[in-house]
Amino acid sequence: NAGVMQNPRHLVRRRGQEARLRCSPMKGHSHVYWYRQLPEEGLKFMVYLQKENIIDESGMPKERFSAEFPKEGPSILRIQQVVRGDSAAYFCASSPGTTVYEQYFGPGTRLTVT
Amino acid sequence: SQQGEEDPQALSIQEGENATMNCSYKTSINNLQWYRQNSGRGLVHLILIRSNEREKHSGRLRVTLDTSKKSSSLLITASRAADTASYFCATDAGGRDDKIIFGKGTRLHILP
Repeated sequence: NAGVMQNPRHLVRRRGQEARLRCSPMKGHSHVYWYRQLPEEGLKFMVYLQKENIIDESGMPKERFSAEFPKEGPSILRIQQVVRGDSAAYFCASSPGTTVYEQYFGPGTRLTVT
Repeated sequence: SQQGEEDPQALSIQEGENATMNCSYKTSINNLQWYRQNSGRGLVHLILIRSNEREKHSGRLRVTLDTSKKSSSLLITASRAADTASYFCATDAGGRDDKIIFGKGTRLHILP
């Protein structure tokens, strides 16, 4: 059973471009969480999704950021018009049920905005 | 917002020594977890301790929880070079079981 997969692992974007980060949860998992980690910091919750539903997006910046988890395919975190402050590692985690205690993390996508 | 705060921020010890990290949190919780993150990698779940438990062991790891002090400690015995990593505590968000809050972590460096 493959673990949580994220791609790309590294992404470089110029200011103003769009960044698309993908997360494929573990097989059988229908709950996805996205986190952002700045250097020397812990993970900050961004959004919690189930298939075709956003359950909690209280950690998402109000502008430029969006997330989806379609019925088919990976979860996508989209950042429009990136700025230097968006440079960070973005991790997704998946779980099989509503409890958050069985989260399995992906390796992360490191976004660098130049 | 509720958050675990780890102490110390960074710790360097000799291989073979024990490493102790502490975590304090602000409000009542149902569970507390410890995670490890190797440089450039995702998080690996180490151990979960429930609010009605005081101590839990897993291999060389020992976790304690003192709900009266709102604090937890992670002890790694007989440290190895491979234990070099960042360690994070995470608590549930005010009793919710669908969201956890991470602390900033302790960066542990094991010296050869």
